[in-house]
Amino acid sequence: EIVMTQSPLSLPVTPGEPASISCRSSQSLLHSSGFHYLDWYLQKPGQSPQVLIYLGSTRASGVPDRFSGSGSGTDFTLKISRVEPEDIGIYYCMQALEIPTFGQGTRLEIK
Amino acid sequence: EVQLVQSGAEMKKPGESLKIACQTSGYSFSSYWIGWVRRVPGKSLEWMGMVFSGDSDTRYSPAFEGQVTISVDKSTSTVSLQWTSLKASDTAIYYCARQREYGWFDAWGQGTQVSVSS
Repeated sequence: EIVMTQSPLSLPVTPGEPASISCRSSQSLLHSSGFHYLDWYLQKPGQSPQVLIYLGSTRASGVPDRFSGSGSGTDFTLKISRVEPEDIGIYYCMQALEIPTFGQGTRLEIK
Repeated sequence: EVQLVQSGAEMKKPGESLKIACQTSGYSFSSYWIGWVRRVPGKSLEWMGMVFSGDSDTRYSPAFEGQVTISVDKSTSTVSLQWTSLKASDTAIYYCARQREYGWFDAWGQGTQVSVSS
């Protein structure tokens, strides 16, 4: 099983400021296709998860461009250029190279 | 519009059986995989398994193999998750989600709360 480790687990942010979440996998997520099978999801309070980024850096339809994903191999980052109040929730990274596994989640809160 | 609508919350006793449903609409049902993901209180998300709606090809996480069964009803575009004997540790919110090529989930159901207690 590929283990996903996120940091930090709690992230207090002032609106308008940037935020960054790290995700590390126990083995490389690079597929033979050349894509990294790493996705980012946000679960807002009381809602189902929603995809933000897939294949490491592709923003999903309708996701604001303040969200961006980067990284390669085993190290990935989700960045929010300017946090908005509606961005609160739990952020998860997930690998889909093998049986999907999720990180522990990072709770973003507004200061 | 792609929609996944799940059945309502359930309260069960240990040892009882249960089947929860995920009814889909707004897309070609037989062309996609549907996965099940659970969230146990205070823990992260866990992928349980998936089924290809076109031919019922099913894959399970080793952690859930033999514990649950995923099935398809093409006549109603519905995917189900069932247990024959629930345990207290099955208490969780269960989500169905459409799983795309490359494994990511692009649409989710609203979740079904399952509570198992004596």
